[in-house]
Amino acid sequence: SQTIHQWPATLVQPVGSPLSLECTVEGTSNPNLYWYRQAAGRGLQLLFYSVGIGQISSEVPQNLSASRPQDRQFILSSKKLLLSDSGFYLCAWSAYGQGKNQPQHFGDGTRLSIL
Amino acid sequence: AQSVAQPEDQVNVAEGNPLTVKCTYSVSGNPYLFWYVQYPNRGLQFLLKYITGDNLVKGSYGFEAEFNKSQTSFHLKKPSALVSDSALYFCAVRDFGSGNTGKLIFGQGTTLQVKP
Repeated sequence: SQTIHQWPATLVQPVGSPLSLECTVEGTSNPNLYWYRQAAGRGLQLLFYSVGIGQISSEVPQNLSASRPQDRQFILSSKKLLLSDSGFYLCAWSAYGQGKNQPQHFGDGTRLSIL
Repeated sequence: AQSVAQPEDQVNVAEGNPLTVKCTYSVSGNPYLFWYVQYPNRGLQFLLKYITGDNLVKGSYGFEAEFNKSQTSFHLKKPSALVSDSALYFCAVRDFGSGNTGKLIFGQGTTLQVKP
């Protein structure tokens, strides 16, 4: 069966520090991968998605970047964090090329607090 | 433009009563619809989906959803609510302009509060 791992679960960082959040998927190949941010336990904002190694699409201009160095690894980064980067970050995957009826599957998220 | 609306920020029901969480959508073409549940400090869990066929879809934890094409709705239902059903619920629709990316458009979420 497929599993998705995100770490760390919680992170407290000072303003201006760098960031690296990692997400890995097991039990599937060539998944679509996604990074979301959720503010205040409400709506989801899609930040980045990837359909293959090295292929990153950004949905909104921001202080963050994403990379996909391996098929099942998705990394969210920042060189200098802003207060507005605080939030709950969720990674998700879906099956690629198997039609449009496949759900996304989510990791348990990283709670990021910027001080 | 494609969109999903969850008109209620919060739904309150008593344990044992039936529950309904509402969702309406606007898409060009046939919709692919999904429901997710999120517990505090956890990721979203997939509950059920509608692709085609029977308008009543059954999912996890006793939940079901009714697809209504004429009303462009996909309401989540459960015959008898449990206190443990209290959570944040999201409706989503496949973004048809997204090719093979699998992108979803999510509603803003509805908090379900089940009181004993």
